[in-house]
Amino acid sequence: GENVEQHPSTLSVQEGDSAVIKCTYSDSASNYFPWYKQELGKRPQLIIDIRSNVGEKKDQRIAVTLNKTAKHFSLHITETQPEDSAVYFCAASRKAAGNKLTFGGGTRVLVKP
Amino acid sequence: KAGVTQTPRYLIKTRGQQVTLSCSPISGHRSVSWYQQTPGQGLQFLFEYFSETQRNKGNFPGRFSGRQFSNSRSEMNVSTLELGDSALYLCASSLVDRGLGTEAFFGQGTRLTVV
Repeated sequence: GENVEQHPSTLSVQEGDSAVIKCTYSDSASNYFPWYKQELGKRPQLIIDIRSNVGEKKDQRIAVTLNKTAKHFSLHITETQPEDSAVYFCAASRKAAGNKLTFGGGTRVLVKP
Repeated sequence: KAGVTQTPRYLIKTRGQQVTLSCSPISGHRSVSWYQQTPGQGLQFLFEYFSETQRNKGNFPGRFSGRQFSNSRSEMNVSTLELGDSALYLCASSLVDRGLGTEAFFGQGTRLTVV
């Protein structure tokens, strides 16, 4: 089955710096790659997603890139702010698997003021 | 529009007991998925229901089961509870997937503690 690996597991950055989280996936049939942010004690919430027909997507300070050949995708957060501190999860799904998401292990991001 | 609602929020059960968790999806969402979240294993897919049918199943023992009702509300049941079943159980609802992926909206979760 699908396997998603996420690195790093923890990331500490200074406020205003950029943060990058990388994920690799194993199933070449995967075609949907969402990123979720989970603050302490709260539910995971989608922050950005990308589909396999697109190589890059941006939404204000957040961007995601996808390399289908290498089977990896990355989340980029620019101008980090303290409210960006949270656990971030990448995930992948494939067309034939309905809405099943396979998640990476998560990255705990700490933005130091 | 109301979000995904899970009840109860917290549960404490004894080993060997069984438990039923409930999830009410966003109105109009017909797909409901369940995930187990633990510090060691992260977020793991349990199963997905669509139109009252189980469409996908993860790698969990048969003690974990679920169902979906005609109004799309879903329940999951865990029988013969083990200490290792202690986790946050998250439900997510989605619109019909047309093969290009669709956003999953998560509930607040049910925190199950098995003692």
